[in-house]
Amino acid sequence: AQSVTQLDSQVPVFEEAPVELRCNYSSSVSVYLFWYVQYPNQGLQLLLKYLSGSTLVESINGFEAEFNKSQTSFHLRKPSVHISDTAEYFCAVSAASGGSYIPTFGRGTSLIVHP
Amino acid sequence: ETGVTQSPTHLIKTRGQQVTLRCSSQSGHNTVSWYQQALGQGPQFIFQYYREEENGRGNFPPRFSGLQFPNYSSELNVNALELDDSALYLCASSQDRGWDGYTFGSGTRLTVV
Repeated sequence: AQSVTQLDSQVPVFEEAPVELRCNYSSSVSVYLFWYVQYPNQGLQLLLKYLSGSTLVESINGFEAEFNKSQTSFHLRKPSVHISDTAEYFCAVSAASGGSYIPTFGRGTSLIVHP
Repeated sequence: ETGVTQSPTHLIKTRGQQVTLRCSSQSGHNTVSWYQQALGQGPQFIFQYYREEENGRGNFPPRFSGLQFPNYSSELNVNALELDDSALYLCASSQDRGWDGYTFGSGTRLTVV
């Protein structure tokens, strides 16, 4: 079984400042890692994912995350945030189980960007 | 791509009643999962269907059941509703059992009174 810990429930930051949302996971097998974003009253949207290859993955809107196997982490970063980045961010981990890949989600981190 | 659509968007039910939530998966996606998201929490896995058969289940009682149809639509049924069933219910679809991530719908907000 896998588990995910998002270390911060809420991260307030000023616009144009850098931000890091932390995610640690535990698993006894190889995993795939994901970040999803949820805007108010909406479902989750896939932000970026690590499946294999380069440990640094990027999204189209400037976020990046780095898979660190030794530290079992997949922290999300953005060098300069915008007001529109205010949302709930969920880290998820999945591994093969009976042929399926069912993600386990963290409790979420609320990113609040102030003007 | 049409995305994942869920209906209804909001629903109020009385304790003890039964409810059916519906989901239309993204075209070509043969895998659908249902999640329960309580306020302030991450989504909790209920079950997954792959090619119309259940192939994974989370820690939810049997009164939570589902179906997947050949046209990529699916249903979540909950019997004997309890107050704690109040939550956002999310449907998510994927190709090939979800190895590369899921597309989520906007959810159904269920309130049990």
